[in-house]
Amino acid sequence: SQTIHQWPATLVQPVGSPLSLECTVEGTSNPNLYWYRQAAGRGLQLLFYSVGIGQISSEVPQNLSASRPQDRQFILSSKKLLLSDSGFYLCAWSPGGGQPQHFGDGTRLSIL
Amino acid sequence: KQEVTQIPAALSVPEGENLVLNCSFTDSAIYNLQWFRQDPGKGLTSLLLIQSSQREQTSGRLNASLDKSSGRSTLYIAASQPGDSATYLCAVCGTGTASKLTFGTGTRLQVTL
Repeated sequence: SQTIHQWPATLVQPVGSPLSLECTVEGTSNPNLYWYRQAAGRGLQLLFYSVGIGQISSEVPQNLSASRPQDRQFILSSKKLLLSDSGFYLCAWSPGGGQPQHFGDGTRLSIL
Repeated sequence: KQEVTQIPAALSVPEGENLVLNCSFTDSAIYNLQWFRQDPGKGLTSLLLIQSSQREQTSGRLNASLDKSSGRSTLYIAASQPGDSATYLCAVCGTGTASKLTFGTGTRLQVTL
């Protein structure tokens, strides 16, 4: 069966520090991969998606970037975190073609 | 641009009641619609997925309907239980190959004893 792993579960970082969140999927090949952010009191917002290795699409301009160095690995990064980057970050995968998306357990990011 | 609205934002019901959660979307050109459950501080659990050609899907005490032409979906929960307490999210999938989801802001449900 397929599983998705996301870490760390919680992270507290100072303003201006770098960020790296990792997501991996097991039990499938060539998945679509997604990064979402859920800010306090707001809905889930799609940040990035990828349909293949090295293929990244950004949905909103922001202080973050994403990379897909391997088929089942998706990384969310920042060189310098802002207070507005605080939130709950969720990684998801789907087989593609409108199939259900499956989510990781999320990372709670707090910026001080 | 697709917009998804969920009403009500919060709902409290006594155990045993049947209830309906509503979801509306502005662009009817969707591939499918998905209902999720989110427990506090946790990720999302997929409950039901309705393809655009379908009218409803059922899983246990849950039934989701879709009226694509009017841009509406409902999630019906029968005989609610305290364990159903969570936030319920509706998401529509666009027709592009990337299967991007647009989410509503959710309905926070509390089922009381």
